[in-house]
Amino acid sequence: EDKVVQSPLSLVVHEGDTVTLNCSYEVTNFRSLLWYKQEKKAPTFLFMLTSSGIEKKSGRLSSILDKKELSSILNITATQTGDSAIYLCGQRGSQGNLIFGKGTKLSVKP
Amino acid sequence: ETGVTQTPRHLVMGMTNKKSLKCEQHLGHNAMYWYKQSAKKPLELMFVYNFKEQTENNSVPSRFSPECPNSSHLFLHLHTLQPEDSALYLCASSQELGINSPLHFGNGTRLTVT
Repeated sequence: EDKVVQSPLSLVVHEGDTVTLNCSYEVTNFRSLLWYKQEKKAPTFLFMLTSSGIEKKSGRLSSILDKKELSSILNITATQTGDSAIYLCGQRGSQGNLIFGKGTKLSVKP
Repeated sequence: ETGVTQTPRHLVMGMTNKKSLKCEQHLGHNAMYWYKQSAKKPLELMFVYNFKEQTENNSVPSRFSPECPNSSHLFLHLHTLQPEDSALYLCASSQELGINSPLHFGNGTRLTVT
């Protein structure tokens, strides 16, 4: 059974659209939730969330954690073709291990 | 450049070969990780080292053998692999397990087992 579940698994939008990616996690040993963007090879770090309700923002990307619902969302506004990638969500446990979901494959069409 | 360098970038090996993957990080981190990424599966955590000591072996078959000679270098020794072991192998590092900090990934080694 997957501990970190992402939805949708894939998404196709047009440039300028706003997208919301979802991630749910287990409460056991939770320390933080991390979001990464993977284009071709190395996943690159986007956000680390530890506190509920506090939005983290970087340009057109933002993310928030809801500890009551055991979930997080990643928002991308005014999408561009360069946002096309796999977005990975991972839960970091008390022992430091980072366990990932399957990812959401986002395709942004011109 | 991510600060985590993996070599080789691509590797093709037969099932009877022995090869090694190398990872080096220049970030001053003390924790290092091996992940396997196969198509349509989540990134799978294989091994974790903290200050050169292995802290996690996630039920990985013995045909994969990790080695961490110091905090900057991590190896994955491969022998008698199976075709289903073909995948992207990613190395990552972080400050140390006790600190809640992000992982930094290398570009990976694309392994094909024939």
